[in-house]
Amino acid sequence: SQTIHQWPATLVQPVGSPLSLECTVEGTSNPNLYWYRQAAGRGLQLLFYSVGIGQISSEVPQNLSASRPQDRQFILSSKKLLLSDSGFYLCAWAAGYSGNTIYFGEGSWLTVV
Amino acid sequence: AQKVTQAQTEISVVEKEDVTLDCVYETRDTTYYLFWYKQPPSGELVFLIRRNSFDEQNEISGRYSWNFQKSTSSFNFTITASQVVDSAVYFCALSEARDSGGSNYKLTFGKGTLLTVNP
Repeated sequence: SQTIHQWPATLVQPVGSPLSLECTVEGTSNPNLYWYRQAAGRGLQLLFYSVGIGQISSEVPQNLSASRPQDRQFILSSKKLLLSDSGFYLCAWAAGYSGNTIYFGEGSWLTVV
Repeated sequence: AQKVTQAQTEISVVEKEDVTLDCVYETRDTTYYLFWYKQPPSGELVFLIRRNSFDEQNEISGRYSWNFQKSTSSFNFTITASQVVDSAVYFCALSEARDSGGSNYKLTFGKGTLLTVNP
């Protein structure tokens, strides 16, 4: 069966510091991969998605970037964190064809101080 | 552009009551998919159900049931005999089928409904 893991689960970082959140999927190949952010107020915002290695699409301009160095690995990064980057970050995957269900990881709580 | 509206921000019920969570969507596509997810206090989003736009049959799974009506663009979720463990934020979501291999579809979420079930 497929599983998705992301880490770290909780992170407190000072403003201006770098960020790296990592996500891996097991039990499937060539998945679509996603990073979502959930800020206060509960709304879920799609940040990035990827349909293959090295292929990244950004949904909103921001202080973050994403990379997919391997088929089942998705990394969310920032060179310099802002206070507004605080939130709950969720990695997700879906089998690579239309209409399929997106499954989410456990999430990572990021607090920028 | 697609949009999902969950007008109920918060609902509070007493255990064993039935509760319905509303979801209204907008899309220009004729082929699309609707989802419900549950987010308990731990934060993880748990998939509950997926429906495609060609299947308007209502579905029941234990105490959960879903009413999909294309005529009113609604996909409502009912919990029968609610329990304290049902307390969570529930999200309705919509995705459109993209044909360019169909591989790069995305979900649009509603803002969620916080359900609190009191003992």
